Amino acid sequence: DAGVIQSPRHEVTEMGQEVTLRCKPISGHDYLFWYRQTMMRGLELLIYFNNNVPIDDSGMPEDRFSAKMPNASFSTLKIQPSEPRDSAVYFCASRATATDTQYFGPGTRLTVL
Amino acid sequence: GNSVTQMEGPVTLSEEAFLTINCTYTATGYPSLFWYVQYPGEGLQLLLKATKADDKGSNKGFEATYRKETTSFHLEKGSVQVSDSAVYFCALKGGSNYKLTFGKGTLLTVNP
Repeated sequence: DAGVIQSPRHEVTEMGQEVTLRCKPISGHDYLFWYRQTMMRGLELLIYFNNNVPIDDSGMPEDRFSAKMPNASFSTLKIQPSEPRDSAVYFCASRATATDTQYFGPGTRLTVL
Repeated sequence: GNSVTQMEGPVTLSEEAFLTINCTYTATGYPSLFWYVQYPGEGLQLLLKATKADDKGSNKGFEATYRKETTSFHLEKGSVQVSDSAVYFCALKGGSNYKLTFGKGTLLTVNP
C-alpha cells in the first residue's frame, strides 16, 4: 500500500489567499484525522471523520478553517482567508476501526507570508 | 480530560548510550498507550504500543512498559544509534474514544 498521501508537500502563499490541502487515506481505513504541528503548540487534532462524516471538529481554530470528505478516498482542509499564524505543518492520518494505530502522511508544510 | 506529559528535550547522547524518555499520563479508565517517532521531514510512525497494564511494547530495540500504578510509559533503548535521531511522541487513546492525545515530543540527537 502507498500509505497516506498528502499534497502539496510544500505550500507558500500570501496572507488573504485561499489554501487547500489534500489527503488520500489508506484504502479500507474508515477514520481520517487532520492535525496541525507547530513549535509553540505541538501536535493538535483539528478534526476527524468516520465513514466520511465529521465526528469532532472542536479543534478547528476558527471559521476560516473547513474540512470535507466527499468520499472514502479523499479529504480536503481549506483555509480561507489564510493568515501568517496559520503557518505550520499539517498532517493527515487514517486508521481502520479494527486497530488502534493511526498512520500518518508525510505532511504539508504551509507558509503564509 | 486526558493528558500526556513527557520529558522536555532536547536530549543529546553519544552512540551506544542508554536512552530513557519519560512519559506520564492522566486518563479515565484504561487507555491504550503509544510511542510514535518522527524522523526529519517525515510524518509520525508508530514505534510501539501497549493496550493494558503491565504490557511491554517493543520494536527496533526500543521498549516501554505500561505501568498503571505510576501512570507511566517510559521509552528505553539500551544502545542508541545515530539513525535513532528523531522526535519521539508519547500518546494515549482513552477507551472507545478514537482520538489520540499526544505529548509535546522530545527531540533526540545521537552523535557518532
